[in-house]
Amino acid sequence: EEHLVESGGGLVQPGGSLRLSCASSGFIFTDAWMSWVRQAPGKGLEWVGRIKSKASGGTTDYVAPVKGRFSISRDDSKNTVFLQMNSLKTEDTGMYYCTHDGFTYPASWGQGTLVIVSS
Amino acid sequence: SYELTQPPSVSVSPGQTASITCSGDKLGDKYACWSQKKPGQSPVLVMYENNKRPSGIPERFSGSNSGNTATLTISGTQAIDEAEYYCQAWDTGTASYVFGTGTKVTVL
Repeated sequence: EEHLVESGGGLVQPGGSLRLSCASSGFIFTDAWMSWVRQAPGKGLEWVGRIKSKASGGTTDYVAPVKGRFSISRDDSKNTVFLQMNSLKTEDTGMYYCTHDGFTYPASWGQGTLVIVSS
Repeated sequence: SYELTQPPSVSVSPGQTASITCSGDKLGDKYACWSQKKPGQSPVLVMYENNKRPSGIPERFSGSNSGNTATLTISGTQAIDEAEYYCQAWDTGTASYVFGTGTKVTVL
């Protein structure tokens, strides 16, 4: 069974930084494409970005509002994917989920970690 | 930017059929998937590649995708199916996944 556990959320002031982690098990992580998805309070789901497997180039893609501020990386030796969030804005507040992706879909989801950007 | 539009809400009686639509330009040329989100819980994939059910998802869930519309159908809807449902597709133009606006399914 696939298992994803996010951590690193918390309260941060506008302009600050946070680094989220997602520890994975139950699948071959080195082959995995991984995404981050968020949900602001009272809003819908928003895809944040993804990282491909190293065999597929290890490249990243991001949604427009976070380009240049957020960065996704991975440590295959620890089966972990990271989301580095800089220059945080109040509109970045929400629950952040990591997903293990199939070719075009989120095959499994973590339980989420809450990020609050507020002064 | 690419957009996927869903009706805000769908109401259905227990045992009846609920149909949730997702509209986007030439969506039928893409693979659509659907995730179920209940309050306080993580989302769960219920349909992928238009009409494939993940392991563990009941047979009452089915999907289709043609033209500009993808549809998730729940036959014999049960109270446990009450949730918010989101469609999703990959947009090659922006190199990004796009989620639909979400549909709250209420089982009356």
